[in-house]
Amino acid sequence: GEDVEQSLFLSVREGDSSVINCTYTDSSSTYLYWYKQEPGAGLQLLTYIFSNMDMKQDQRLTVLLNKKDKHLSLRIADTQTGDSAIYFCAESINLNGATNKLIFGTGTLLAVQP
Amino acid sequence: GAGVSQSPSNKVTEKGKDVELRCDPISGHTALYWYRQSLGQGLEFLIYFQGNSAPDKSGLPSDRFSAERTGGSVSTLTIQRTQQEDSAVYLCASSLVPLVSSTDTQYFGPGTRLTVL
Repeated sequence: GEDVEQSLFLSVREGDSSVINCTYTDSSSTYLYWYKQEPGAGLQLLTYIFSNMDMKQDQRLTVLLNKKDKHLSLRIADTQTGDSAIYFCAESINLNGATNKLIFGTGTLLAVQP
Repeated sequence: GAGVSQSPSNKVTEKGKDVELRCDPISGHTALYWYRQSLGQGLEFLIYFQGNSAPDKSGLPSDRFSAERTGGSVSTLTIQRTQQEDSAVYLCASSLVPLVSSTDTQYFGPGTRLTVL
């Protein structure tokens, strides 16, 4: 089945690292994504990782993928108050060989305390 | 260039009325996707278009929902005889090419918040 799970809430202090976790079910997913949604705004693509990679680093963001356990994490270093948002992980599911659809997790609300 | 735009940004309607939601994808993007974000349901995939055709409509919640895309650009999502459970944020996304081998990165619009009274 298609299911992506995340914890609902994470609170950190400014300057600390944040780690948001996600588990997914479809082992055939080619790409896994992290999206950010700020209040009243649309979804913003943060980063993605190809399924044959274990890690991807992009400035303050580090994505770790454990394909065996179907576990994805997003680490934000030196978390800032501007990082407060809802973070969605998503797996890419192929649709009839033509394109992919995204299956999203429920989202993790990250609250950064000053 | 401009991102994905959606209109209206907010729509309040009465139960039983029909509504039309519009999406303008990024220019040149051939694939267009509709998602719905509602409390308790998270984000769910509704339908996608490759050009003007929609090969997979299985994500539409009921036959009250329909979507079309004309000229390979603008898409409208129509909900007939709206119900309170249709209240949600409807998100549109587009991608350059819907190839399986690509990253198929989808860029999202700001969404239309639909409230059915």
